[in-house]
Amino acid sequence: ETGVTQTPRHLVMGMTNKKSLKCEQHLGHNAMYWYKQSAKKPLELMFVYNFKEQTENNSVPSRFSPECPNSSHLFLHLHTLQPEDSALYLCASSQTSGSPSYEQYFGPGTRLTVT
Amino acid sequence: GQNIDQPTEMTATEGAIVQINCTYQTSGFNGLFWYQQHAGEAPTFLSYNVLDGLEEKGRFSSFLSRSKGYSYLLLKELQMKDSASYLCAVLNSNYQLIWGAGTKLIIKP
Repeated sequence: ETGVTQTPRHLVMGMTNKKSLKCEQHLGHNAMYWYKQSAKKPLELMFVYNFKEQTENNSVPSRFSPECPNSSHLFLHLHTLQPEDSALYLCASSQTSGSPSYEQYFGPGTRLTVT
Repeated sequence: GQNIDQPTEMTATEGAIVQINCTYQTSGFNGLFWYQQHAGEAPTFLSYNVLDGLEEKGRFSSFLSRSKGYSYLLLKELQMKDSASYLCAVLNSNYQLIWGAGTKLIIKP
C-alpha cells in the first residue's frame, strides 16, 4: 500500500466502550499527527509525534490516548467517549524540518459516532 | 490569538473562474498551504507559498501577500469535479499548521 492508511473507516461506539484507531504511513516520514475534524470548524490538531516522541498535546481530554510504537504507525485509543466526540479523525504524516517538507499527507479518516 | 479567515461557502458556474480568499493573523509565518478536500475524503495538497506573488499550477493558481496577511486560490475553467472544500493553512514561527475552517465550493452546470 502507498500513502497514509487508516482503519477502521467507520466506527460506532457506546460511551462505555474502548476502541482504537490505527494509522500507518508508507512514505518514510518522521512526523505523524492526529486531527479532529468537525463540521464547519477548522481542523483541530490533537497530537504530534516526531521520531516516535510526542511533541505536542493540545489540551486533549485523557479519554483520548495516543501511541506511536515506531515512525510508521500511530494509534489513538478511545475510552468513555462523549457524544460531542463524534467527528472525523484524520491522521497525517510529514517530514520534520524545512519547507516544503512540512507538507502533510492525510489518510482517509475514521468517521466516529459515539452513541 | 491566531486565526485564519475564509468564506464558508461559494458557488460558481462550470467553465468560469472563482477566487477563494484567505486572510490570516498568526505568530510568525513560514508559508501558506492550500488543500482540497472532497466530501468524505482526505485533504490533498494543492499549493505552498512562502514568497509574495503568484504561483501557477495548471488550472489552479495561488497568490500570497505577506504584508497584507492575505492569500487567494484561483481556479480557472471550473469543472464539476472541483466541487469540494478548500482549506487554507499557515505554518507559524513554531512550525505549527494553523488551519482555516475551509470554503465549500459548489459548482453548478
